[in-house]
Amino acid sequence: GAVVSQHPSWVICKSGTSVKIECRSLDFQATTMFWYRQFPKQSLMLMATSNEGSKATYEQGVEKDKFLINHASLTLSTLTVTSAHPEDSSFYICSASHKGVIDTQYFGPGTRLTVL
Amino acid sequence: AQTVTQSQPEMSVQEAETVTLSCTYDTSESDYYLFWYKQPPSRQMILVIRQEAYKQQNATENRFSVNFQKAAKSFSLKISDSQLGDAAMYFCAYEIHTGTASKLTFGTGTRLQVTL
Repeated sequence: GAVVSQHPSWVICKSGTSVKIECRSLDFQATTMFWYRQFPKQSLMLMATSNEGSKATYEQGVEKDKFLINHASLTLSTLTVTSAHPEDSSFYICSASHKGVIDTQYFGPGTRLTVL
Repeated sequence: AQTVTQSQPEMSVQEAETVTLSCTYDTSESDYYLFWYKQPPSRQMILVIRQEAYKQQNATENRFSVNFQKAAKSFSLKISDSQLGDAAMYFCAYEIHTGTASKLTFGTGTRLQVTL
């Protein structure tokens, strides 16, 4: 149980375009979803936390207008990177927790974004 | 702000031997959780072990055990009978609860090599 999927697993896009990444909880209702960013050989950095039906809470230094997060249902959150630039190239990982076990996050397999 | 420090960027262990990965953290909270996550080359984050701060007993999961020293704010991971499949990046993480959700802070990671 507690499986989280991400789609796509990798994406290449041109500079200036927007890219949407989906995060789904497959067998539980995710009251909270988290988006992380991981640069090569570095740790995971939390970008934002989203609760179903409410606006996401962004970490300091993360541009909310650039990284749009939507958590419209209890099983789906999306991260849209708007007007992507090469410096946005990174590995994006989502995680989810559910109401019954808020102290454990279940991680998705990640999405590698390359902006040309 | 909470910080998590892993002072060993890389460690190496021979197959079947025991290795200990270090982690220290800084916090003013009294109630929190600590985790060790494993990230193999696939980049999928895998929960190895967790420890509740209010529990004095060290957590154990098969070949993995922790040495939790709350006063010293130390949380080391011991891997016994190391296997080739244990080779990965290991991240120590600290978690606090904020309202209805949790927030994870990761250390910088330790790359573990397992040799024959």
